[in-house]
Amino acid sequence: KAGVTQTPRYLIKTRGQQVTLSCSPISGHRSVSWYQQTPGQGLQFLFEYFSETQRNKGNFPGRFSGRQFSNSRSEMNVSTLELGDSALYLCASSPGQGMNTEAFFGQGTRLTVV
Amino acid sequence: AQKVTQAQTEISVVEKEDVTLDCVYETRDTTYYLFWYKQPPSGELVFLIRRNSFDEQNEISGRYSWNFQKSTSSFNFTITASQVVDSAVYFCALSGGVFYNQGGKLIFGQGTELSVKP
Repeated sequence: KAGVTQTPRYLIKTRGQQVTLSCSPISGHRSVSWYQQTPGQGLQFLFEYFSETQRNKGNFPGRFSGRQFSNSRSEMNVSTLELGDSALYLCASSPGQGMNTEAFFGQGTRLTVV
Repeated sequence: AQKVTQAQTEISVVEKEDVTLDCVYETRDTTYYLFWYKQPPSGELVFLIRRNSFDEQNEISGRYSWNFQKSTSSFNFTITASQVVDSAVYFCALSGGVFYNQGGKLIFGQGTELSVKP
């Protein structure tokens, strides 16, 4: 069974640009969550999608958005990039929604904003 | 508020030593889940264990063992006879619970970087 696939693995963008990251969950999994990892703030929850609906959202500005498609694949978008958005963005896939299911993570997309 | 504290930022041991990684959590939920993840240099978070709040039995999986104590809100992780391949950053996490209406969210500790030297 294929794991969680995130593309691209590495990305360099210029401040002010926008970026879209993609996550393909494990086959059959309907929940996708996104996390941002930085040396200063650690791992922080961005949002969770289940059945194409955003179920939870973390404490991030509106520049961070996401969506989920009918095949459970998810994308997250960051507009008007800032230097502080440089981070490893991790996607997690779960069979169902909520806390009683395990979350399996992809290898992440490392975004560098210059 | 929900919070996970991993007080040990870095631990360095010599191969074959036993090592315990500490995790203390805070939550108002009565039903919650605790997790441990391993993050090797490749970046992927590797799932190690999930434990629900009603199950305080210790768990052992090979060289890994976990000690969950609700009385002290701790969920510690011990590696017995450590190996170089155990070198990684280890994260303890708490599920967002019903009380906070954050069921699908994981709250992570800051992580403990374990270095096992040959």
